[in-house]
Amino acid sequence: NAGVMQNPRHLVRRRGQEARLRCSPMKGHSHVYWYRQLPEEGLKFMVYLQKENIIDESGMPKERFSAEFPKEGPSILRIQQVVRGDSAAYFCASSPLHGQSNYGYTFGSGTRLTVV
Amino acid sequence: KNEVEQSPQNLTAQEGEFITINCSYSVGISALHWLQQHPGGGIVSLFMLSSGKKKHGRLIATINIQEKHSSLHITASHPRDSAVYICAVVDTDKLIFGTGTRLQVFP
Repeated sequence: NAGVMQNPRHLVRRRGQEARLRCSPMKGHSHVYWYRQLPEEGLKFMVYLQKENIIDESGMPKERFSAEFPKEGPSILRIQQVVRGDSAAYFCASSPLHGQSNYGYTFGSGTRLTVV
Repeated sequence: KNEVEQSPQNLTAQEGEFITINCSYSVGISALHWLQQHPGGGIVSLFMLSSGKKKHGRLIATINIQEKHSSLHITASHPRDSAVYICAVVDTDKLIFGTGTRLQVFP
């Protein structure tokens, strides 16, 4: 029973390129969350998705960032025209149900994005 | 003021010492998590609490809902416990994180 799988583990992009980060939730988990950890800062919520729906994107930057969780396949966090300030670790977590105190979150190992 | 405050920010200890990390929060929550992150590594969920106390091996977590406070204790600390420990509260549909406590345990 694989955990939350994120790939790639490390991603280097030049300024202006696009970055695509993938997250496959745990089997049986239908809720996916993306968090960003900037260097020397704490983790911040970005977006919460269920299959084919964005539930809460209040933490997403207004421009260049988008996320999806299609019916088939992994969740994708997409960053267009990357800038140096996008360099961070991006973590995905999944849960079977959201907001339920009886259920926990399982985190992936993260994707470390470096923009050069 | 952050919604989730942790103390101390940095902590050093000798192997075998008893460790306490504190977390206070200002929002209403349904649950609280304690997470562990090793340098350059992923995030591991240690505990999820909504009341009382939980124990797993040498780790103990407590929460006081009325006082909006939680503590993580490590008994008989070991160098392999060196990591960043993060408190996170469940606010509706997302986690709000503290800034973490960096623990170093020396042999």
